[in-house]
Amino acid sequence: TQLLEQSPQFLSIQEGENLTVYCNSSSVFSSLQWYRQEPGEGPVLLVTVVTGGEVKKLKRLTFQFGDARKDSSLHITAAQPGDTGLYLCAGVGGSYIPTFGRGTSLIVHP
Amino acid sequence: DTAVSQTPKYLVTQMGNDKSIKCEQNLGHDTMYWYKQDSKKFLKIMFSYNNKELIINETVPNRFSPKSPDKAHLNLHINSLELGDSAVYFCASSLGPSGANTDTQYFGPGTRLTVL
Repeated sequence: TQLLEQSPQFLSIQEGENLTVYCNSSSVFSSLQWYRQEPGEGPVLLVTVVTGGEVKKLKRLTFQFGDARKDSSLHITAAQPGDTGLYLCAGVGGSYIPTFGRGTSLIVHP
Repeated sequence: DTAVSQTPKYLVTQMGNDKSIKCEQNLGHDTMYWYKQDSKKFLKIMFSYNNKELIINETVPNRFSPKSPDKAHLNLHINSLELGDSAVYFCASSLGPSGANTDTQYFGPGTRLTVL
């Protein structure tokens, strides 16, 4: 079983601060996805990264896939209350079975 | 129109009962999934169907039985419910395993199951 460790588990910050969420594994993934889940709803895909070393930007969110395709990070610049939610990373390996991390619960205070 | 819908949204039942959760997707996807999210928000895949055929069956008690009458529907039946079955169950769909490693999974809103 491929395991994904996410850190930190909880993050409570003030509006305007920057933050980084990490997703690490000892396994290699063919792709890695980041989802955001709001209370009472299902996860929604933010980005998919495929190539080692790849960096993708989505407005204030920057996603990076490690060179060895075993880890990824999500950096949010100038966080806003609307960024509040549960951030989940999911790795897909050769079996196509997606493995989710345990999530990072982010609260951004106004 | 909702892309992936689940019913019911909430389900409260007694231990030992049998219950079903229904899922429908109108995206024309070939692959559908059931996930369980526990109280610590850990999301774990249970089953996956591709074109009505079971392709992923993780270590799940055989009290859980998925059924796919057509590729737009994947229902989950649970027999002899136990306290530990309490969780949020999510249905999801994606295009299919042909592009599986980059597929977007579209999740339903979840069914919160509480077993008393």
